[in-house]
Parts: sequence; structure tokens; C-alpha cells
Amino acid sequence: GAVVSQHPSRVICKSGTSVKIECRSLDFQATTMFWYRQFPKKSLMLMATSNEGSKATYEQGVEKDKFLINHASLTLSTLTVTSAHPEDSSFYICSARDPWTYEQYFGPGTRLTVT
Amino acid sequence: AQSVTQLDSHVSVSEGTPVLLRCNYSSSYSPSLFWYVQHPNKGLQLLLKYTSAATLVKGINGFEAEFKKSETSFHLTKPSAHMSDAAEYFCVVSDPVGSGNTGKLIFGQGTTLQVKP
Repeated sequence: GAVVSQHPSRVICKSGTSVKIECRSLDFQATTMFWYRQFPKKSLMLMATSNEGSKATYEQGVEKDKFLINHASLTLSTLTVTSAHPEDSSFYICSARDPWTYEQYFGPGTRLTVT
Repeated sequence: AQSVTQLDSHVSVSEGTPVLLRCNYSSSYSPSLFWYVQHPNKGLQLLLKYTSAATLVKGINGFEAEFKKSETSFHLTKPSAHMSDAAEYFCVVSDPVGSGNTGKLIFGQGTTLQVKP
């Protein structure tokens, strides 16, 4: 199957700082990527749909000014957690959708810890 | 609106015995249904998917699932559990892409499968 990478795999940052997470589709061009959040021992919650060349579509209850999404190219989407707080600590997972098959391929996830 | 309910948060089986993970769905459309597995601190791996073809879907690692429209169910089964099957399993529903639908995935709450030696 297709490969999606995330960087970094884990990051620790101080409260009040911002952190950027990258999601790359390595062997196909993805016009649509998705960002999920997973709390410990919980399911994945869709945060937003990232569309190349246009604004992201956020799910209800997700603060778009706090979780900035940029989909600057067909192989890269970034999620920036701005002014991070300890409650933002979580496992963030991205997926990229193959435009031909519509199948979503998931990245390995990024564990964010805010101290 | 689509939703999916996994009926068991935790399932424990002995190695070599059958596995049954239950999932019920709700969808306004003819849904696409998936089962994903997540091993500890790892990404999600697709086990199998149903997209309106055969109702009995075979996946990787000996898993299969049967789509039953009358029961709105998509239960995951495996005849004989291995220790390596211990993981978190997610049942997922999706709208078809197009006609205003984004094809986004809606995840169930997850079922933790424990396999005892």
C-alpha cells in the first residue's frame, strides 16, 4: 500500500509555544488529507479535512485558529498547534486519500506532549 | 448522518480460539465499511473493507467480515486467534465520495482484543 509519513514522531514542547507537524504522502499525490486526534485508549476524532490549494474544513468544536492547517502541495499538509497547552497533549494522526481509489492511508502518528 | 457502534470495548480470547468483534452501523447512504487495527504506539493498518461488492469480505491475517444490511452489522471474525492479534480494532464507516460527500471516515470507539496464551 501507499506510504504516508509524519514528522516528528514525538515532540515535547513548553506551554505557550507552537509546534508544527508534517504529513507527507510519499508515493502519490493527495489533494485531500485528514487530521485526527486520538486520546489515550480512545478512538480517533476527525479534526479537519485538508484540501490542497484551499482552506481546511474543520469539524464542529475544533478551533481553527488554534489548529492551523496548511496544504501547500499535493504531497504535504502541516498541522500547527498554536500556543499549546497541556490539554493539547495527544496523539495526532494524519491520513492521505488516494485520488483514484479514494482509499485513505494513515501516517504513523505524532505524540505531542505539552509541559 | 453516519455512525458506528462497536458493541464491546474489550474482548479476551485464548490463543487458537475464534475471534468475534461486533460492529453496528448507521448510514443514510450505501456505506463503505472498514476494519482497521492499531498495535500499541503504531499507526493504523487496514484489515479489510466493504464497498458494495461481495457481502463477505476477506482481509489480511485471516480476518474476514460479513456485511448484513438487514442487521446493519459488519462483525469481524477470525477462526483462530494468534498472540500477535492482540491490538486495538476500529470499525469505520464512510460516505461514498461525491454528490457533496467528502468521504470522511467515522470511527467506532474501538475494541481492545486480548489474546491469552
